[in-house]
Amino acid sequence: SAVISQKPSRDICQRGTSLTIQCQVDSQVTMMFWYRQQPGQSLTLIATANQGSEATYESGFVIDKFPISRPNLTFSTLTVSNMSPEDSSIYLCSVEGTRQETQYFGPGTRLLVL
Amino acid sequence: QKEVEQDPGPLSVPEGAIVSLNCTYSNSAFQYFMWYRQYSRKGPELLMYTYSSGNKEDGRFTAQVDKSSKYISLFIRDSQPSDSATYLCATRRGNFGNEKLTFGTGTRLTIIP
Repeated sequence: SAVISQKPSRDICQRGTSLTIQCQVDSQVTMMFWYRQQPGQSLTLIATANQGSEATYESGFVIDKFPISRPNLTFSTLTVSNMSPEDSSIYLCSVEGTRQETQYFGPGTRLLVL
Repeated sequence: QKEVEQDPGPLSVPEGAIVSLNCTYSNSAFQYFMWYRQYSRKGPELLMYTYSSGNKEDGRFTAQVDKSSKYISLFIRDSQPSDSATYLCATRRGNFGNEKLTFGTGTRLTIIP
């Protein structure tokens, strides 16, 4: 399975600011995914990011709030913009496994917005 | 109605017991089924995946899918304290690269030594 790292691992941010989360994979992957995990709720897909194309966002998530970059096959960033306390969550990067029906997850970024 | 329902627990069992974790789903188009284990302050780790109905065994873990009743189960035999974690079921419709996973909320499991 791929080894995935995320930076930062956690952060405390002020309302109205933005945070960029980095995801690095140790091998080239086509599909990268960004999820949100809020307490007591299911992991929710924010968007799918393919290298060389714009990210595809799920219902309820918009590019202005969660801009994503995918500059190459091993790296992606998710920015949480103009944050509010409701954005406090764990943000997880995921990549498609060698078997397409599986996905592997990074360790997550724990975000607290005050 | 959520597409995947999972009892959040918490569930506490003594060491050595058999653990049964369950999910139900509503969309009959789901074909692939996964179980992820998530330790505290870590990302989800893929534990088991199965295609369509039937059983799959891997060591102390058995994943079971009953598509007729839309029921997914994970059994853990001879449970160990190291099995204490949150277990997430997930489903997927197809084998396409952009198919998203639909998750249950997770069941928090504690194995008591």
